[in-house]
Amino acid sequence: TQLLEQSPQFLSIQEGENLTVYCNSSSVFSSLQWYRQEPGEGPVLLVTVVTGGEVKKLKRLTFQFGDARKDSSLHITAAQPGDTGLYLCAGRTDSWGKLQFGAGTQVVVTP
Amino acid sequence: KAGVTQTPRYLIKTRGQQVTLSCSPISGHRSVSWYQQTPGQGLQFLFEYFSETQRNKGNFPGRFSGRQFSNSRSEMNVSTLELGDSALYLCASRAPAGESTGELFFGEGSRLTVL
Repeated sequence: TQLLEQSPQFLSIQEGENLTVYCNSSSVFSSLQWYRQEPGEGPVLLVTVVTGGEVKKLKRLTFQFGDARKDSSLHITAAQPGDTGLYLCAGRTDSWGKLQFGAGTQVVVTP
Repeated sequence: KAGVTQTPRYLIKTRGQQVTLSCSPISGHRSVSWYQQTPGQGLQFLFEYFSETQRNKGNFPGRFSGRQFSNSRSEMNVSTLELGDSALYLCASRAPAGESTGELFFGEGSRLTVL
C-alpha cells in the first residue's frame, strides 16, 4: 500500500479549465513536495511546503499543505497543454528521512 | 553544472540474469537515492547512499543492492532478474545539508526490460 494516496489517477481536461489533484496520508510529514514528470524524463520539483496550512502559488499553480500536515492539494487555474504531465506528491517524515512518493496523477490538457 | 547522469538508458535482459546500473550525481552532491518506477506502483524507494554508506533502505528483496564510491558515483545491482523487475530505475541526488532544500534532482532513468 502507498503511504501517500493521490487522486484522481488520471485527469483529462480541455484547455482553459481548472483542475485539482489531491494527496492524502494518515502520516504526518515534516515536508511535502510536488514534482512533475514528462515522458522520457525524471521528475522535476515544483514546490516544497513545510508549514501546516501553508499555501504557495507558482503562476497558475496553487499548492496547499493541510493544517495537520497529512495532506496536500495542487490546483491549476486555466490549464494549458504545457501543463500535461505526471504530477507526483512526495513526503518526508523527518528532514533526512527517505522521500516517499505517491503513485501520481496523469494530467492531459487538450487544446 | 551537469545534471544527474544515468547509464545505460535502455537495456534488455532475460530472466535469471543480473544487471548493474550506474548513476553520476551532480557535482558536489554526496547523497544519491534510487527509485523503481512502474505504471501501477509509481516511484518506489529502493535505497539512499551518503558518503559511501547506505542511509535508508526500502522494502525490496535482497536481490536489489547498491553501493556508492568515494567520488559519490553510485551503482545498483539486481541479481536473478524476474519479469516483474521490468521498470524505469531512477537515480536522484541531493545537495549537502546547509544548501539543501530537500529537493531531489533526478536523472532520466534506466529503462530495464526483462524477457
